[in-house]
Amino acid sequence: DVQMTQSPSSVSASVGDRVTITCRTSQGVDRWLAWYQQKPGKGPRLLVYASSSLQSGVPSRFGGSGSGTDFTLTISSLQPEDCAIYFCQQTHSFPWTFGQGTKVEIK
Amino acid sequence: QVQLRESGPGLVKPSQTLSLTCTVSGGSINNSDYYWNWIRQPPGKALEWIGYIFHSGITFSNPSLKSRVTISVDTSENHFSLKLASVTAADTGVYYCATMGILAAEGRWRGFDPWGQGTLVTVSS
Repeated sequence: DVQMTQSPSSVSASVGDRVTITCRTSQGVDRWLAWYQQKPGKGPRLLVYASSSLQSGVPSRFGGSGSGTDFTLTISSLQPEDCAIYFCQQTHSFPWTFGQGTKVEIK
Repeated sequence: QVQLRESGPGLVKPSQTLSLTCTVSGGSINNSDYYWNWIRQPPGKALEWIGYIFHSGITFSNPSLKSRVTISVDTSENHFSLKLASVTAADTGVYYCATMGILAAEGRWRGFDPWGQGTLVTVSS
């Protein structure tokens, strides 16, 4: 199985700050990685697919990059509504696997 | 737009079978653009993909659970179901159903979207 390692496990930043979350895979997954946002009591929401493609309706302050084994999700200007848990998932090979998640909070 | 809702018992006894249903609304389960999935999250752990079913009945499951998992589809009721046999406390968690789309041009998977809100299943006597 492809192991997924996310960092940091949590981050606290001010409104307007740039926030970066990284995801490393144990094997190369080309660009087949997705990012999700999850708020309490709700199912996750797809933000980014194929490493850098923004899902329809997702604000442009979210962006993804990377290929191979190293990937990044960036929030360019943190907003209060971005408080959530973010996690990555590889869609390259079965079984599909997920990162442990990064909790984003407002200072 | 497609919406998913999980339903089923919130408490299951050890060694019994966990049974959940995901009802699809706002779209047809016969849509060939989608694969219908089950995913779970044990407390404090990462999400774990359980398996998927296509409207034709083709299934594929995580090898770690394959021997205990049955996924079925009822196209007339527009829902699909999960059965997980011989459960233990390790099967406790929030269970989600979700749709996996396809990037047709690349012949690759897109990502899970949408998801249901999840249902908590506790395995305890």
